[in-house]
Amino acid sequence: DTVLTQSPALAVSPGERVSISCRASEGVNSYMHWYQQKPGQQPKLLIYKASNLASGVPARFSGSGSGTDFTLTIDPVEADDTATYFCQQSWNDPRTFGGGTKLELK
Amino acid sequence: EIQLQESGPGLVKPSQSLSLTCSVTGYTITSGYDWSWIRKFPGNKMEWMGYISYSGSTNYNPSLKSRISITRDTSKNQFFLQLNSVTTEDTATYYCASSRGTFDYWGQGVMVTVSS
Repeated sequence: DTVLTQSPALAVSPGERVSISCRASEGVNSYMHWYQQKPGQQPKLLIYKASNLASGVPARFSGSGSGTDFTLTIDPVEADDTATYFCQQSWNDPRTFGGGTKLELK
Repeated sequence: EIQLQESGPGLVKPSQSLSLTCSVTGYTITSGYDWSWIRKFPGNKMEWMGYISYSGSTNYNPSLKSRISITRDTSKNQFFLQLNSVTTEDTATYYCASSRGTFDYWGQGVMVTVSS
């Protein structure tokens, strides 16, 4: 299976820029997607195919990368962005998820 | 708008079968999408379990292939998960979702505990 590695946690201040990384154990082309999950809620799609903003997602969110290294950027961070962020690949079978990065605001 | 809602027992005994239902509104499951089950374990790990496509074909995660079955009732616009021979390791929050590579729409999730 394709293993996706994310750093477990980050803490930033409102108004700052934050980058969340996801590294794949093998190439996934551009088929990396990002989700936001707040406590008690279901995950929500933010970015699809590395850099495409999902419908209704604020332009503060952006994605980049290809191959094995991908980044989700939030700029500027707002208090409402406190959540866990997951990457997910759909290039290799089975589809796999990263372990999630918990974003906390200072 | 597509909405999904999981239902089923919150407690299952070890060695028994886990059975969940996903009811879909706002879209006919035979019109498109794959219809997936995903679970999130305590500690955040997420696992895609498998899907049934709009045409009725299935695709399962090889890690579960001997224990999982996903079926559907098109007359009720529902699809189902059955996971056999469960252990405490199957304790998780189970989600159903529509997918086309990405998981676009998700249910709220149902927490299932495997315990005697």
